[in-house]
Amino acid sequence: KNEVEQSPQNLTAQEGEFITINCSYSVGISALHWLQQHPGGGIVSLFMLSSGKKKHGRLIATINIQEKHSSLHITASHPRDSAVYICAVRLDYRDDKIIFGKGTRLHILP
Amino acid sequence: ETGVTQTPRHLVMGMTNKKSLKCEQHLGHNAMYWYKQSAKKPLELMFVYSLEERVENNSVPSRFSPECPNSSHLFLHLHTLQPEDSALYLCASSQDLTGPINSPLHFGNGTRLTVT
Repeated sequence: KNEVEQSPQNLTAQEGEFITINCSYSVGISALHWLQQHPGGGIVSLFMLSSGKKKHGRLIATINIQEKHSSLHITASHPRDSAVYICAVRLDYRDDKIIFGKGTRLHILP
Repeated sequence: ETGVTQTPRHLVMGMTNKKSLKCEQHLGHNAMYWYKQSAKKPLELMFVYSLEERVENNSVPSRFSPECPNSSHLFLHLHTLQPEDSALYLCASSQDLTGPINSPLHFGNGTRLTVT
């Protein structure tokens, strides 16, 4: 069983829809990252969370440490949001060990 | 401009070839990483360097040999690879490995490697 699970694996939605991607983890962590990987391979770090909620433009990330769960939300989705979204956790007992989820492939239709 | 530059973007090599991947970061970071991304698998950490010293080697086969000559440059030397080594190889950097607030990773665009 993976220590970091994402759902759904694939998501297709219409432009304008509200998108939610979930990440659950089974280990103690010090931080959680949401990453965006574009079709060409480049990866951008969207958020780093250790508690609560962060917002950047149309993107919102939340984390519940007690429930070991994080969500990434996209409001008013747009075709340019189409990418793979990856959840990654930094463990709290091994220096700088990061475990990645398999990613969620998002496709926004115009 | 991501601040982390990888070359080449694409590489095709035979199983007997020797090649090197290069990563350069202009962010003043002290930690650099090599990750491997195979199809339908999570990102796998291969090597971690902090202040030019290797701090982690995740059971990577010896046909992959990293080199970190200074804190801005990281190389991955490849020799006698196997077809299953075909993947996207990503370099990343972060400010450091310690501290109460963990530093985010900055990734390069990756090198897509095909071993024939």
